[in-house]
This record gives sequence, structure tokens and C-alpha cells, in this order.
Amino acid sequence: EPEVTQTPSHQVTQMGQEVILRCVPISNHLYFYWYRQILGQKVEFLVSFYNNEISEKSEIFDDQFSVERPDGSNFTLKIRSTKLEDSAMYFCASSIEGQGRISPLHFGNGTRLTVT
Amino acid sequence: ELKVEQNPLFLSMQEGKNYTIYCNYSTTSDRLYWYRQDPGKSLESLFVLLSNGAVKQEGRLMASLDTKARLSTLHITAAVHDLSATYFCAGPYGGSQGNLIFGKGTKLSVKP
Repeated sequence: EPEVTQTPSHQVTQMGQEVILRCVPISNHLYFYWYRQILGQKVEFLVSFYNNEISEKSEIFDDQFSVERPDGSNFTLKIRSTKLEDSAMYFCASSIEGQGRISPLHFGNGTRLTVT
Repeated sequence: ELKVEQNPLFLSMQEGKNYTIYCNYSTTSDRLYWYRQDPGKSLESLFVLLSNGAVKQEGRLMASLDTKARLSTLHITAAVHDLSATYFCAGPYGGSQGNLIFGKGTKLSVKP
């Protein structure tokens, strides 16, 4: 079964550094998402992306965050100047929505970001 | 903005018993999602409930949606240890179908 893949599985960075989290969504999916989960807490929506642009973003997704689909397969989340509170598990997800079709999100295995 | 509340947040059950997890949401929504998460793992889709009165079953899990009461339930029948996980319900946020607000999750532990 096709799946969403994320790399790296674990990233450790120092406060103030930039990180890029990478995702390869399922190939025929059209919508892409980033969510995060701080350890032991609930899953929070960050941003959705469709047709090469952001379709919606949450209050968490401020100017330090950006997303990009640099080619036909990758979808990246960049955090420009990391803070301690950015430490979390970041999940990429994709779905095949559209034309009246509602489908669940397919999540990757996540990247655990640790900011020291 | 949609608020999603689950209860209980922790549930310890014995194998063979039945129990129900409740998910209340604050505003009108025509769909509700249930996900399962094993420790340190990703989120696995269990059910997508699309209409009032929708009921879906998969194995020992059955989910239902009452849009008038703004309530979804996840019923566990004759629990087994393999069902131990955290279960999240989620409702739509904003305009896109996949922008979801998650509940805090119910951590289920099934003991022999």
C-alpha cells in the first residue's frame, strides 16, 4: 500500500538554527498537510497546501514557518529560526480530495524535532 | 472555531469487556474522523463518518455520528490487548476537508 514517507525520523538542532523537514506524499494525492504533536499532547494543524500554494494555515504557522513543493514529489516544511518550543513530532499528511470526494488523511511516520 | 472534546482521556479495561469513548464537538459539522496512534507511531485512519446517523464497524470497533447532538462515539466490543493505543477524534477546521482539529485523545490500555 502506498504511504507517506518522512525524513529524517529524528532531527536535533540548536536554538536559532534552520531546519527543513522532508516529506514525500502519496503520488496521486492532491492535498498536503503538516501537523505537529508536542510530546504527550494533541495533534495540531499547521498548514494545508494545494495546487502549489498554501490553502489554509493555523495561528501556529507564523513567519518562521514556510512550506514548499520544490519538485513533483517532495513537500517540505522549513522552520527558519528554531525555538525550544518547536520541539515536537511533525507529521506530514496527504489526501486525495476533490470532486465531492472526502477521504481520510494519510499520515507519515513523523519527524521528531528536538531543539536544544 | 471548532472545539473537540473527548472523554475519557484515559481508559483501562480488561480483555473481553465493552466500553465507549465519547467525542463532543462544539459547532455544526457534517463529518468526523477517528484515528488510532500507537506509542511513538503515526496516525492511522479508522473511520470517516459523513452524515447524521452514520455507523461504521471494523472488527471490534464501531463508530457512530449524531450531528444533532454533536456527538460521536467509538464503541469497543470484547476488548483485546492489541487495541491498546491512543484514539483521537477530529473534526474539520476552516474550508478544506483535511484541516482537522483533534481531540486530546483517549489512551486505552487493555489488560489481560
